[in-house]
Amino acid sequence: EPEVTQTPSHQVTQMGQEVILRCVPISNHLYFYWYRQILGQKVEFLVSFYNNEISEKSEIFDDQFSVERPDGSNFTLKIRSTKLEDSAMYFCASSEASFGTLKAFFGQGTRLTVV
Amino acid sequence: DQQVKQNSPSLSVQEGRISILNCDYTNSMFDYFLWYKKYPAEGPTFLISISSIKDKNEDGRFTVFLNKSAKHLSLHIVPSQPGDSAVYFCAATGGSTGTASKLTFGTGTRLQVTL
Repeated sequence: EPEVTQTPSHQVTQMGQEVILRCVPISNHLYFYWYRQILGQKVEFLVSFYNNEISEKSEIFDDQFSVERPDGSNFTLKIRSTKLEDSAMYFCASSEASFGTLKAFFGQGTRLTVV
Repeated sequence: DQQVKQNSPSLSVQEGRISILNCDYTNSMFDYFLWYKKYPAEGPTFLISISSIKDKNEDGRFTVFLNKSAKHLSLHIVPSQPGDSAVYFCAATGGSTGTASKLTFGTGTRLQVTL
C-alpha cells in the first residue's frame, strides 16, 4: 500500500532555532495536512494545503509556522523560531480528496524535541 | 474546546469478545466521522468511516454506528484480537467535497485485548 513518509523521525533542536519537517505525500494525492500531538494530548489540526495554497489553518499555526510544496513531491512544515511548547509529534497526511469523501493517509510522524 | 469526546481513556477486553468504543460530539456541522487506530511511534491508520446520512457502516470485524440525534457514535470490533490492542481515535469533519477539510480528533481510547 502507498504510504506517506516523513523525515526525520526525531529532531532535537535548541529553543529559537528554525526547523524544517519534511513529508513526501502519496503521489496522486491533492490535499495535504499537518497535525501535531503533544504528549498525552489529542491530535490537533495545524494546516491544510490544496492547489499550492493554504486552505485552512488553526490558531496554533501562527506567523512562526509556514508550509511549502517546493517541488512535485515534498511538503514541508517550517517553524522559524522554536519554543519549548512546540515539542510534539508532527504528522503529515494526504488524501486524494477532501476528508469528507475519502480516507486520509498519515505518515509515521516526526518527534520534535525543543530544548 | 472539546468538540469530539472519548470519555473512556482505556478499555480492556478478552480475546474473542466484542470491543465497543464510544465517541460523542457537540458540533452539529460535523457530517462525516472516522475512526483511526494508532500504535506507538506510528501515525494514525484509517479504520472505517461513516457519513451522517447513514447510521451504520460495516467492514469485516469493524462496525461503526452513528446516532445523530444523540450526537454519538461507536466502534464495534468483533471478535477482538490481540493485534487490535492500540489507541483508537474518533475524528469528525464538516467539510464538503472539493475542499480540504480538517479533522477534529477525540482524545483517544487505549484498547487492550487480553488472552
